[in-house]
This record gives sequence, C-alpha cells and structure tokens, in this order.
Amino acid sequence: NAGVTQTPKFRVLKTGQSMTLLCAQDMNHEYMYWYRQDPGMGLRLIHYSVGEGTTAKGEVPDGYNVSRLKKQNFLLGLESAAPSQTSVYFCASSYSVTGAYEQYFGPGTRLTVT
Amino acid sequence: AQSVAQPEDQVNVAEGNPLTVKCTYSVSGNPYLFWYVQYPNRGLQFLLKYITGDNLVKGSYGFEAEFNKSQTSFHLKKPSALVSDSALYFCAVRDVTGKLIFGQGTTLQVKP
Repeated sequence: NAGVTQTPKFRVLKTGQSMTLLCAQDMNHEYMYWYRQDPGMGLRLIHYSVGEGTTAKGEVPDGYNVSRLKKQNFLLGLESAAPSQTSVYFCASSYSVTGAYEQYFGPGTRLTVT
Repeated sequence: AQSVAQPEDQVNVAEGNPLTVKCTYSVSGNPYLFWYVQYPNRGLQFLLKYITGDNLVKGSYGFEAEFNKSQTSFHLKKPSALVSDSALYFCAVRDVTGKLIFGQGTTLQVKP
C-alpha cells in the first residue's frame, strides 16, 4: 500500500514551458486535491476532484488545469509556466468529505520556473 | 468566511518541557478541526482531529489538542517535547463544502 505518490519529485522549467504532474493513490479514495505550498502562506487549494471525470476550482486555479480520467490518478498541468508558479506542489486524497475524513498527502513536487 | 489562524510563526521549547502550538478558527456551524505535521522535504502527516465529543483529543506521537468552543481555539499540546518533534505544524478546518482550509503553519523547534 503505497498511499499517495507523486511524480516527478523535482522539476526545473523555463518560463513558457509546459508540464504535467502526476498523482496516484491506491486507497480507492473518491476525493483528490492539488495544493501549492509557499513560505508563510500555508497550503492553498488549486483544484480538486470529487470523483472520476469531475474536477472543480479551488482557491488559486489560474494557470493550472487538471484531469481525473481514472479514479486513482489526478493530473495537474501547467500550460505555460511562469516564475510565480515556483512552489512545492502536494497532492492529497480522502475517502469522503461528508464526514471528518482526513486527507492523505503525497511527498510533494518541488517546481522551479526560471 | 471560514479561516484558520496560527498566531506564532515559530515556537521554541526545550526538550522535556511541555509544548503548545496555538490555533484559532472561524467557521459556520460546528467545526471539524485537524492538525498535521510536516517534516523537512516530506508531505503532511495527519496527527489528530476533532469532530465532536470530548474536548481533549489524543493523536499520534503523544500529541493531543484541546478544543475550546468559547475561545474558538484548537491548540496542539504535548506534555514532554522531543527533539524529533521539531517540524512544521499546520492547523486546518473543514469548510462547508468539505474542503480543508489551512493555517499558515508554525515551526516547532525543540532544543536539547
């Protein structure tokens, strides 16, 4: 049981380049989330998904797109990277949101945009 | 609007002493509250949560948290700190749609 995994762990992009971050979970969770973590700002929700084939915007969605084609995978895309997207990105999943189910986090992806 | 505040950027304690990491919240209705810990270069790990019932919640690694409805607080505590407890701690509250809102985090430094 690997929990939540993220690939890649590190990435350096040049401004304007694109990339996709992959999140996978093996806990059969319905809900998945993408956060970014910046110093002094805690974690901010980018996008989330309440089930296969559905996605929704979070607090800071601009410049990102997501897809959830399979229940176990949640992809985060940057179409045209900007230096402001330099951050650490975390994926999380949870069983449900109707109860007080905790979220399980992946190890993170450190992205630098130059 | 729902929000969480962690008023201290950093908390310093000596090993063996009790520790408290503070959290206050603002939420509509009954709060679901969480504490997470993040070790360097790692993801967040769940410590404990408050749903209802006893105001003192026990969690992983000897941590506990005290829910105080009148003060809208959910402070994290441990009777005897360890150097290995040094990490970044996040308080979070579940909003009405089920998503988590995180505080900005508090760095705990435990010195030998």
